Amino acid sequence: SAVISQKPSRDICQRGTSLTIQCQVDSQVTMMFWYRQQPGQSLTLIATANQGSEATYESGFVIDKFPISRPNLTFSTLTVSNMSPEDSSIYLCSVVWGRGGTDTQYFGPGTRLTVL
Amino acid sequence: QKEVEQNSGPLSVPEGAIASLNCTYSDRGSQSFFWYRQYSGKSPELIMFIYSNGDKEDGRFTAQLNKASQYVSLLIRDSQPSDSATYLCAGTPNDYKLSFGAGTTVTVRA
Repeated sequence: SAVISQKPSRDICQRGTSLTIQCQVDSQVTMMFWYRQQPGQSLTLIATANQGSEATYESGFVIDKFPISRPNLTFSTLTVSNMSPEDSSIYLCSVVWGRGGTDTQYFGPGTRLTVL
Repeated sequence: QKEVEQNSGPLSVPEGAIASLNCTYSDRGSQSFFWYRQYSGKSPELIMFIYSNGDKEDGRFTAQLNKASQYVSLLIRDSQPSDSATYLCAGTPNDYKLSFGAGTTVTVRA
């Protein structure tokens, strides 16, 4: 499968500030997603970030709060803007990768964000 | 109603036993289903995927899919302490987007 890295792995931020999370893949992939995992919860899809098109956001998530860039087929960023303690979560990027005839999603290691 | 409902557990089984995890889904358009394992503090790791009715076996893991009943399950045979983790069921209602269940935390007692 593709090797995915994220930076930073964790951060502690003050409310009102912004943090940009980077996702790097060692292979070219078309489809990339950003998820959030709040403490003790399952994963929730934030947006789809496909190269060559604007990111599409799921219900409850907006571009002003979570701007996304996808400049090429191996890289994406997610910014968490004007942070509040409710944004404390693990943020994960994922990519779709073909395996055995079925495309599957693989996740990066995640970025653990704490907002004070 | 969530698209994927998972019996949230927790589930505790003795070492060597079979752990049975279940989930149901509401969108009949979902084609593929995935089981991920997540250790505490780590990201989800893909265990298995299934898209045809019936059983699919991979080592000690067996995934089962019943599209008529909209039911997906995962069996872990000969459970080991290293299988202790949260297991996430996910379906793809559309465009490869994954809809996750709440997860089931499994503890294997030595």
